[in-house]
Amino acid sequence: EPEVTQTPSHQVTQMGQEVILRCVPISNHLYFYWYRQILGQKVEFLVSFYNNEISEKSEIFDDQFSVERPDGSNFTLKIRSTKLEDSAMYFCASNSGLAGYNEQFFGPGTRLTVL
Amino acid sequence: DQQVKQNSPSLSVQEGRISILNCDYTNSMFDYFLWYKKYPAEGPTFLISISSIKDKNEDGRFTVFLNKSAKHLSLHIVPSQPGDSAVYFCAASGFAGKLIFGQGTTLQVKP
Repeated sequence: EPEVTQTPSHQVTQMGQEVILRCVPISNHLYFYWYRQILGQKVEFLVSFYNNEISEKSEIFDDQFSVERPDGSNFTLKIRSTKLEDSAMYFCASNSGLAGYNEQFFGPGTRLTVL
Repeated sequence: DQQVKQNSPSLSVQEGRISILNCDYTNSMFDYFLWYKKYPAEGPTFLISISSIKDKNEDGRFTVFLNKSAKHLSLHIVPSQPGDSAVYFCAASGFAGKLIFGQGTTLQVKP
């Protein structure tokens, strides 16, 4: 069964450093998303991406964040200068875009720890 | 921002009985509602969804009910099994749009 994959599973970084989180969405899916979950809190939407551009972003997704689909398979989230409060689980998700199918399928997540 | 709320942080049921998880929402513009199951340190796993034009959707042991007038949905699991023990999130969205999640309900199914 196709699945969303994410690397690395755990990333530890120093405050102020840049990190890139990587995702491989399900093949043939058209919509891609990043979410995060701070420990003990709900899962929060960060950004959605369709047709090679951002379709929606939350207020969390400020100028320190960017997304890219550098090739036909990878979808990346970059945080330019990490802050302590960026420590969270980051989940990538994808959606087929087919009419009537709204399910988003999530990857296993990347645990980001900012020291 | 409390557009989707799960007011019960936890639920405990006996194996074989029915589990009922509840969710309320405030935004009448939502088109789709979904339930996800999540284990610690894993991503949410899709369980079942329902369109706003329906009031019930069933998939095996899982049934989701939608009451639009009350802005309420529920997930029924019958019969409950110990392997169902996890955190359950409801979520709402427009088509292919962002998911807005509730806070989650931890279900424990006792053997």
